[in-house]
Amino acid sequence: QLQLQESGSGLVKPSQTLSLTCAVSGGSISSGGYSWSWIRQPPGKGLEWIGYIYHSGSTYYNPSLKSRVTISVDRSKNQFSLKLSSVTAADTAVYYCARVGVPPLLSWFDPWGQGTLVTVSS
Amino acid sequence: SYVLTQPPSVSVAPGQTARITCGGNNIGSKSVHWYQQKPGQAPVLVVYDDSDRPSGIPERFSGSNSGNTATLTISRVEAGDEADYYCQVWDSSSDHPYVFGTGTKVTVL
Repeated sequence: QLQLQESGSGLVKPSQTLSLTCAVSGGSISSGGYSWSWIRQPPGKGLEWIGYIYHSGSTYYNPSLKSRVTISVDRSKNQFSLKLSSVTAADTAVYYCARVGVPPLLSWFDPWGQGTLVTVSS
Repeated sequence: SYVLTQPPSVSVAPGQTARITCGGNNIGSKSVHWYQQKPGQAPVLVVYDDSDRPSGIPERFSGSNSGNTATLTISRVEAGDEADYYCQVWDSSSDHPYVFGTGTKVTVL
């Protein structure tokens, strides 16, 4: 059974870079037909898609975050990562990683990691 | 970008039926997916491609999609169904293709 697990710093200072990693187990991140995505949820609010990386390595980001986001993959460790630069308090959220298919087919997110809270504060 | 609108809350008595709507322009032409999120937990996929259920999801959860409204129906509601529910689509014409609805809090009375 495929499982995803986020890890990284839970507290980031304003203007610094948020860094998170999602470890994938129970399957290969290099398997075709899937992409690997980051989604976030500010406290008490809804879900916001951040971006994804295809198994080939190509990426696609939410335009509202594109200038600050980098998603990369480390196939040797079967994991992918998120970097978000120049963070502010508005970036405080629970960050989830999830698998998504290649649209238009399989355009849903499943499974999800358990999520990790990142707080931006000095 | 594409917008999905859900009612903020729905209340239902145990054993009754809850219907959660997701409104969007011509949403019937898109595939709609639904997630359940309980407090402090990650979202869980409960319906995909309008009306299909992942393995392990009870038959009480069903979906439909037509025109400008998609609907998640929970039959014979149980206390354990109390959660937030989000719809989601992939919008091919948008530069922000993965769109989530605003979310609906289902309260079991």
